[in-house]
Amino acid sequence: DTGVSQDPRHKITKRGQNVTFRCDPISEHNRLYWYRQTLGQGPEFLTYFQNEAQLEKSRLLSDRFSAERPKGSFSTLEIQRTEQGDSAMYLCASSSAQGEWRVNEQFFGPGTRLTVL
Amino acid sequence: GQQVMQIPQYQHVQEGEDFTTYCNSSTTLSNIQWYKQRPGGHPVFLIQLVKSGEVKKQKRLTFQFGEAKKNSSLHITATQTTDVGTYFCADGMNTGFQKLVFGTGTRLLVSP
Repeated sequence: DTGVSQDPRHKITKRGQNVTFRCDPISEHNRLYWYRQTLGQGPEFLTYFQNEAQLEKSRLLSDRFSAERPKGSFSTLEIQRTEQGDSAMYLCASSSAQGEWRVNEQFFGPGTRLTVL
Repeated sequence: GQQVMQIPQYQHVQEGEDFTTYCNSSTTLSNIQWYKQRPGGHPVFLIQLVKSGEVKKQKRLTFQFGEAKKNSSLHITATQTTDVGTYFCADGMNTGFQKLVFGTGTRLLVSP
């Protein structure tokens, strides 16, 4: 399977614990995005990497959240001191750099569903 | 900040009926992408619209981009049960689609 993969698919944790999610993008894609989706809502942008550089972060991403993409391939998203409000689906997507007017679809992974008790 | 709203929030149709979802932005849209998310699934890209007034068709699906680039629509002709899911529009911000601002989504249910 050459699509975007995420691990784990489900994570249940207690409030105050730290969690880390992994995303493996499509191998030739240099752009990687993290989104968060709560029930009944559209995905909300969290952060964006071009290769290993983190180029944009949403104000939604508090200092408890950190993301890395150390070698420009896979990425990790860590949440420290989890809160119940962090419960959501965390989606990763990847795309390849294209010019503004070319199709630049994002390919989404299956997501990691986080439940904070 | 920018708000991208979709109406209706939910629609239940009988198989064979048509369906339309409307996407409206509080600001001018850079470009518009449409995604479909099946229940329990992840968003899957359908199409990208770039030019003012652009219309694109994919089989039974017709996508339009408003003249003022502040709205878009997706119309499905003769729905099928396989069309079930939530349809999201998304604004590709800035150049190169560095991030997407998703709309609120329209959930479609199709009864056989």
